[in-house]
Amino acid sequence: ETGVTQTPRHLVMGMTNKKSLKCEQHLGHNAMYWYKQSAKKPLELMFVYNFKEQTENNSVPSRFSPECPNSSHLFLHLHTLQPEDSALYLCASSQDLAGGYNEQFFGPGTRLTVL
Amino acid sequence: ILNVEQSPQSLHVQEGDSTNFTCSFPSSNFYALHWYRWETAKSPEALFVMTLNGDEKKKGRISATLNTKEGYSYLYIKGSQPEDSATYLCAPHSGYSTLTFGKGTMLLVSP
Repeated sequence: ETGVTQTPRHLVMGMTNKKSLKCEQHLGHNAMYWYKQSAKKPLELMFVYNFKEQTENNSVPSRFSPECPNSSHLFLHLHTLQPEDSALYLCASSQDLAGGYNEQFFGPGTRLTVL
Repeated sequence: ILNVEQSPQSLHVQEGDSTNFTCSFPSSNFYALHWYRWETAKSPEALFVMTLNGDEKKKGRISATLNTKEGYSYLYIKGSQPEDSATYLCAPHSGYSTLTFGKGTMLLVSP
C-alpha cells in the first residue's frame, strides 16, 4: 500500500461504545495529524504528533484519545461520544512540522456516525 | 486561530471557462500558504505551498499567486474541465501552530 490509509472507512457507534480509528502512512513521514470535518465547517485540527510526540491538542474533549506508537501509525480512540461528534475524521502526514513548508498528505477519512 | 476567508463559497462554470478564487488571511506572522484540491469521495491533495510575497506557482492549467503584505492569494484555473470539479481549500500557516483551513470554494464545471 502507498500513501496514507485509514480504517475503517465507515463507522456507526452508539454513545456508550468504545471504538478506535486507525491511520497508517507509508511515506516515511515524521509528523501525523488528526482532523475533523463537520458539515458546513472547515477542516478542524484535533491533534498533531511529531516524531511520536504529541505537539498539539486543539482543545479536544477527552472522549477523543490519540495514540502514536511509532511514526507510521496513528490511532484515535473513541469513548462515550455524542451525536454531534458525527463527522468525517481525516488523518494526514507530512515530512515533519518544519514551519508549515511541507505539504500534508491525507488519507481517505473515516465517516463516523454516533447514534 | 487564524481568520481565513475564501470566496466565492461556490462556483458553477461551463467547460472552457477560466475562473479564479480568493483566499484572505491575516498578514502578520505569515510563514506559508497551502492550496489543496478535494474531490468528492477522495482525499484532499496538495496543489501548492507558497512562502514568498509575490510568489507565483503553476501546475498545468492551475496557477496561484501570493500577496503576504496584504494577506491574500488567488487561485486561477484556465479553461476549466469537468475533472476540475472539486472543493479548493486554502490554509495559511502562522508559525505558531499548524495549518488553519478555510471553508473552501466548491467548483462545479459542467460539460
